[in-house]
Amino acid sequence: SQKIEQNSEALNIQEGKTATLTCNYTNYSPAYLQWYRQDPGRGPVFLLLIRENEKEKRKERLKVTFDTTLKQSLFHITASQPADSATYLCALRNSGYSTLTFGKGTMLLVSP
Amino acid sequence: EPEVTQTPSHQVTQMGQEVILRCVPISNHLYFYWYRQILGQKVEFLVSFYNNEISEKSEIFDDQFSVERPDGSNFTLKIRSTKLEDSAMYFCASSVGGSSYEQYFGPGTRLTVT
Repeated sequence: SQKIEQNSEALNIQEGKTATLTCNYTNYSPAYLQWYRQDPGRGPVFLLLIRENEKEKRKERLKVTFDTTLKQSLFHITASQPADSATYLCALRNSGYSTLTFGKGTMLLVSP
Repeated sequence: EPEVTQTPSHQVTQMGQEVILRCVPISNHLYFYWYRQILGQKVEFLVSFYNNEISEKSEIFDDQFSVERPDGSNFTLKIRSTKLEDSAMYFCASSVGGSSYEQYFGPGTRLTVT
């Protein structure tokens, strides 16, 4: 069966450190993979999109990698701040389909 | 900055009643979506809408659900006969293009079915 797996346990890090979040998938051949941020009681907010033929994408303090052999994407936040505390969602679209499927998300807690 | 808006923010209804959730997508976007998120669960796709018709729907989107774009700005989700398990946060989203583009989500409508 198809699965998108993200760390279910919250990730606790100190301000200034780099946070690394993982998204693993099985039985998908994603054309695109996206990362969103979700705050409690709010809608997801788009952060980054990476295509299957791209290895890495950066935007300010954010970096995403995409390894289609390992079936994994890593999401990095460098110089993390308490304001980065939120749940981060991985979402992907399978080749040939238009539906975006979300993982359950990983909660990130950045302490001062 | 343009944003997706949704009304109401919270809707309480009795089981068996019909509800209509409303959304105003970003004006130049062409693709519209509804998702739901049950408390503590993941965001689940319901339906996508393009060119005035449903382009894709999930297994969740059964005959009790319908969508409509009644005018040039609103996009609605109707649940005909609500069940307790329909209680969730419902998010509307829109995008310029299909799923290769980022989606912009609204703040959600919390639906509580009693």
